[in-house]
Amino acid sequence: QKEVEQNSGPLSVPEGAIASLNCTYSDRGSQSFFWYRQYSGKSPELIMSIYSNGDKEDGRFTAQLNKASQYVSLLIRDSQPSDSATYLCAAGGAGGSYIPTFGRGTSLIVHP
Amino acid sequence: GAVVSQHPSWVICKSGTSVKIECRSLDFQATTMFWYRQFPKQSLMLMATSNEGSKATYEQGVEKDKFLINHASLTLSTLTVTSAHPEDSSFYICSARGVYEQFFGPGTRLTVL
Repeated sequence: QKEVEQNSGPLSVPEGAIASLNCTYSDRGSQSFFWYRQYSGKSPELIMSIYSNGDKEDGRFTAQLNKASQYVSLLIRDSQPSDSATYLCAAGGAGGSYIPTFGRGTSLIVHP
Repeated sequence: GAVVSQHPSWVICKSGTSVKIECRSLDFQATTMFWYRQFPKQSLMLMATSNEGSKATYEQGVEKDKFLINHASLTLSTLTVTSAHPEDSSFYICSARGVYEQFFGPGTRLTVL
């Protein structure tokens, strides 16, 4: 069974710090990886996608992928209270026929 | 990112009635659409996957006769909760996938009295 594991948290960081969110996946055939942000009572919002080993940066967000270790991470620099949310990691296959597997999410709290 | 709309955003109905929820991909054609359910403070639960023109594939434990899914076009999928009961009250979220990325609609909060 394909699994995506995340620490449920909460992860608490002070404003301005770097928040580091981690995720491991069980299916070595996974080709695509995604990070979603979900505010309480809202639906998930895609914030990063990564397909190759290494780092991918977008503004304050950096996604890191290590396929050998089956590990994905999300770094949030200069964390703001508005970043407080649950972050979902998802892993999928290649092409258009896969069903992505979601982790249960990590709750992030950024305190002023 | 791409936009997925969902209607209605909330609905209150009496027990025994049916409720239809629409999901549309507004600026892209969705090869696959997904329906999720989420209870308060719990994780997403995939209910079913649908491809345009095909029957939906339901996850284990999801009653296909109760949750009717129609994927009539590359931009529209509907979920009908038939004979709704209070235990069906939940947050229903659709999602549409283009090539690789999957985008979520804003969700529909269903309350069954």
